Amino acid sequence: NAGVTQTPKFRVLKTGQSMTLLCAQDMNHEYMYWYRQDPGMGLRLIHYSVGEGTTAKGEVPDGYNVSRLKKQNFLLGLESAAPSQTSVYFCASSYSRTEGHYGYTFGSGTRLTVV
Amino acid sequence: RKEVEQDPGPFNVPEGATVAFNCTYSNSASQSFFWYRQDCRKEPKLLMSVYSSGNEDGRFTAQLNRASQYISLLIRDSKLSDSATYLCVVNPVMEYGNKLVFGAGTILRVKS
Repeated sequence: NAGVTQTPKFRVLKTGQSMTLLCAQDMNHEYMYWYRQDPGMGLRLIHYSVGEGTTAKGEVPDGYNVSRLKKQNFLLGLESAAPSQTSVYFCASSYSRTEGHYGYTFGSGTRLTVV
Repeated sequence: RKEVEQDPGPFNVPEGATVAFNCTYSNSASQSFFWYRQDCRKEPKLLMSVYSSGNEDGRFTAQLNRASQYISLLIRDSKLSDSATYLCVVNPVMEYGNKLVFGAGTILRVKS
């Protein structure tokens, strides 16, 4: 099973350039999430989606946009990259549950450097 | 105050030692709790869920104290392969999106 796949794994952008990070999951999960991880700050939620065609803002949404046109895919876009967006980006997915939580499955991450 | 707080460490221990990490959370209504393990430059992976009654998985024991709002992880007979960052994770409430909140992690280094 592939689980959660992120592409690309590495990228270097110049300030002002745009790019899209792709997350694909084959577990039929309803919920998908984009986090960024910076040293000493832990994982912070950027945007998330509770189903196809829906998205919502997380803790640090500014400078990012997302789309979920298909259930299995969740795209994260940077319209005009800034050095402050240098980070490791993780996509995650989970089942929707009314009781209890079973945790996330994470992709392997995208290391983005903005120069 | 952060929603989930952990001692960043590092905890440097010899092989075979027992080591314990604690984590505190701020939202008393939190529903679900987890420990994740993250190796250097890798994605976090679920180590174990934490239940109110406490739970054990081999050398790992997790405890939850709702009254004091803390979670603990005990590792017995430490192995070199246990070296990693351990993330304390909380689901604050069963709200829209079932979002998890992550602590910044505790670094464990096991030395021979």
